Amino acid sequence: DTGVSQNPRHKITKRGQNVTFRCDPISEHNRLYWYRQTLGQGPEFLTYFQNEAQLEKSRLLSDRFSAERPKGSFSTLEIQRTEQGDSAMYLCASSSLGGNQPQHFGDGTRLSIL
Amino acid sequence: GESVGLHLPTLSVQEGDNSIINCAYSNSASDYFIWYKQESGKGPQFIIDIRSNMDKRQGQRVTVLLNKTVKHLSLQIAATQPGDSAVYFCAEISMFSGGYNKLIFGAGTRLAVHP
Repeated sequence: DTGVSQNPRHKITKRGQNVTFRCDPISEHNRLYWYRQTLGQGPEFLTYFQNEAQLEKSRLLSDRFSAERPKGSFSTLEIQRTEQGDSAMYLCASSSLGGNQPQHFGDGTRLSIL
Repeated sequence: GESVGLHLPTLSVQEGDNSIINCAYSNSASDYFIWYKQESGKGPQFIIDIRSNMDKRQGQRVTVLLNKTVKHLSLQIAATQPGDSAVYFCAEISMFSGGYNKLIFGAGTRLAVHP
């Protein structure tokens, strides 16, 4: 399978715990994005990497959230001290460099905070 | 499992009919648009894209129409099949100053195909 891969698919945790998600983009894609989606809504942009550089962060990304892409390949998204409002689907997408290139999404990590 | 878009507007069609899903976008400066299909428990799947220098683009069984005057997109699906049942999102590209972009998604429409 050469698509975007995300792990784990589901994460259930207690409020206050830290969680980390992983995204493996399509191998030749330099651009990597994280989005968050809640029920009944379209995905909302969180952050963007070009290779290993994090070039843009949304105001939605509070200081409890951190994302990395250390070698310009896979990326991790960590949420510290989780809150009920963090419950959502976290989606990763990747695209090629160049002007208008379509973003291709993984199947997401569903986070549920108890 | 959980469903995407529990309270989204729904378009119900008979199998074999044509479907038209509409979308209004917000930024008149947007120059690239994408339609995605999202099935329950999965991520958005790319269907078709269109650039602002075009007003129509056709794919396999799908056609996207762009009306920049009224900031409106539509997705037409020919001979709709049960496998087309999903939530459909339009997305516009918002460009950052560095030349890269993020997607701004519309509200989504649920397509329900009945045999």
